[in-house]
Amino acid sequence: EAQVTQNPRYLITVTGKKLTVTCSQNMNHEYMSWYRQDPGLGLRQIYYSMNVEVTDKGDVPEGYKVSRKEKRNFPLILESPSPNQTSLYFCASSGSFNYGYTFGSGTRLTVV
Amino acid sequence: DQQVKQNSPSLSVQEGRISILNCDYTNSMFDYFLWYKKYPAEGPTFLISISSIKDKNEDGRFTVFLNKSAKHLSLHIVPSQPGDSAVYFCAASTGNQFYFGTGTSLTVIP
Repeated sequence: EAQVTQNPRYLITVTGKKLTVTCSQNMNHEYMSWYRQDPGLGLRQIYYSMNVEVTDKGDVPEGYKVSRKEKRNFPLILESPSPNQTSLYFCASSGSFNYGYTFGSGTRLTVV
Repeated sequence: DQQVKQNSPSLSVQEGRISILNCDYTNSMFDYFLWYKKYPAEGPTFLISISSIKDKNEDGRFTVFLNKSAKHLSLHIVPSQPGDSAVYFCAASTGNQFYFGTGTSLTVIP
């Protein structure tokens, strides 16, 4: 089944403790992206990647890092999480920059 | 500042009637527009898209209209079905950067 898999689905962590949210897709897509969803703000793009080793900032990249060492994986790294990064995070992938993305099921992150 | 706006947080429609969801944008450089549907506890699902060089795109019950002069996008669902009840997000892109609206919650009443 074609899908984008994110892990974990739920995560509660403490301020300053580094964490990684993994994202993997099995569709051989070039394009991958991370979003956060917050009430009243919709989805905001954090980072995107056009291919292996090619990444760029989205609308809200502060406090996040990404890497794309393999085509299928696009992890989101929070080096020093803060409470304002408490959010619902989505990873997505697409075979073309001008086509709809396939989204993962989301990761609910709480930073206390 | 929100570049893509969905001013109606919610919409209720009778089954079988037309649902019209609206979206406005501010950036004239956007060249691609999309609609996604989202159910609770799931990621958004791509519905339909339109390029800025077109003014209409149709896919089954779903039609997207683009009015570039008004910077306005709409999604028409005809006929509406109870399974269409979800949150609908419009999105716009320039290059690889995507901007989403805040969503409209559609309820289709049987």
